Amino acid sequence: GAVVSQHPSRVICKSGTSVKIECRSLDFQATTMFWYRQFPKKSLMLMATSNEGSKATYEQGVEKDKFLINHASLTLSTLTVTSAHPEDSSFYICSAGARSSGNTIYFGEGSWLTVV
Amino acid sequence: DAKTTQPPSMDCAEGRAANLPCNHSTISGNEYVYWYRQIHSQGPQYIIHGLKNNETNEMASLIITEDRKSSTLILPHATLRDTAVYYCTLMDSSYKLIFGSGTRLLVRP
Repeated sequence: GAVVSQHPSRVICKSGTSVKIECRSLDFQATTMFWYRQFPKKSLMLMATSNEGSKATYEQGVEKDKFLINHASLTLSTLTVTSAHPEDSSFYICSAGARSSGNTIYFGEGSWLTVV
Repeated sequence: DAKTTQPPSMDCAEGRAANLPCNHSTISGNEYVYWYRQIHSQGPQYIIHGLKNNETNEMASLIITEDRKSSTLILPHATLRDTAVYYCTLMDSSYKLIFGSGTRLLVRP
């Protein structure tokens, strides 16, 4: 299957700082990328849909000014957690798809964020 | 909200078939059924998907009922490495996947 890569896999940041997570589609052009967060022993919660060259669409209850999403190219989307707080500590996962990949969405390995 | 419901947990013996059910009684005509699995602390792994016909690949088989209101994922010969949380989800033309709680499958030695 197609490969989606996230970086960093783990990051620790101080409360009040911002942290950026990258999501790359390595072997296909992703017209659409998605960002999820997952708390321990819980399911994945969709945060936003990112379309290349346009503004992200956020799910209800997700603060767009806190979770900045940029999808500047067909292979890269970034999620920036601004002014991070301990409650933002979570597992963040991206996924990517393109019609050329047969309507299949592939997920990255995930990024663990710990805010101290 | 997720449009699928799955049993919270199941178990099966190693080497035997694992049959994981999923209900999606409100599925729309243009929604595909997708299955993913997630091993602890990793991103979900794609398994299989289908619209209305049964599908098979090297990992699993997907059986979709004729009315499309439910489906079953079949792992023909489960191994210990198949222990994971299995998610059944639906996708429409927006590409969105909304995950429910999934089924935690334990494969016993």
